[in-house]
Amino acid sequence: QKEVEQNSGPLSVPEGAIASLNCTYSDRGSQSFFWYRQYSGKSPELIMFIYSNGDKEDGRFTAQLNKASQYVSLLIRDSQPSDSATYLCAVDRGGADGLTFGKGTHLIIQP
Amino acid sequence: DAGVIQSPRHEVTEMGQEVTLRCKPISGHNSLFWYRQTMMRGLELLIYFNNNVPIDDSGMPEDRFSAKMPNASFSTLKIQPSEPRDSAVYFCASSTGTVNGNQPQHFGDGTRLSIL
Repeated sequence: QKEVEQNSGPLSVPEGAIASLNCTYSDRGSQSFFWYRQYSGKSPELIMFIYSNGDKEDGRFTAQLNKASQYVSLLIRDSQPSDSATYLCAVDRGGADGLTFGKGTHLIIQP
Repeated sequence: DAGVIQSPRHEVTEMGQEVTLRCKPISGHNSLFWYRQTMMRGLELLIYFNNNVPIDDSGMPEDRFSAKMPNASFSTLKIQPSEPRDSAVYFCASSTGTVNGNQPQHFGDGTRLSIL
């Protein structure tokens, strides 16, 4: 059974600091990894995706992937109160199975 | 560009009634996904279409749920008869992915369903 695990939080980070969100997955065949942000009462919004080991940077966001450790993370630099949301990790094996989502980490940025 | 469009945004109905949720994917996207989100279970994939063909419906909870995609621009998710435990937010998402996946999915605003 494919599983994606995230700490539910809440994770509280002071404004301006780096927020670090972590995700582990059980299926070694997973090929694509996605981070979505979901504000309360809203739909998931794609933030980052990563396919290869290493780091991928986009503005204040950096996704990190380590396939050997089955671990993917999202770093948010210079965190802002508007970053407060639930962050969902999603994993795709690449076959006809679609995405498997974690239950999300609730991030709170304290002004 | 218009995103994924879902209707209705909210639906409140009594147990036993038929519920139909609708979705229009982003133009040019050939994969469409239906998800259900609850506090207890998080976001769960119900069914996935590629080029209008159902590829994986293993997430459909039981025979009361059915989904169709008659053409590239429209899909429905139907619950008949509905039960209180079906209350959730139902999301539709689309992507340019092939059957082999790998492409980011874009979500609609969801339908908040309440079964009394």
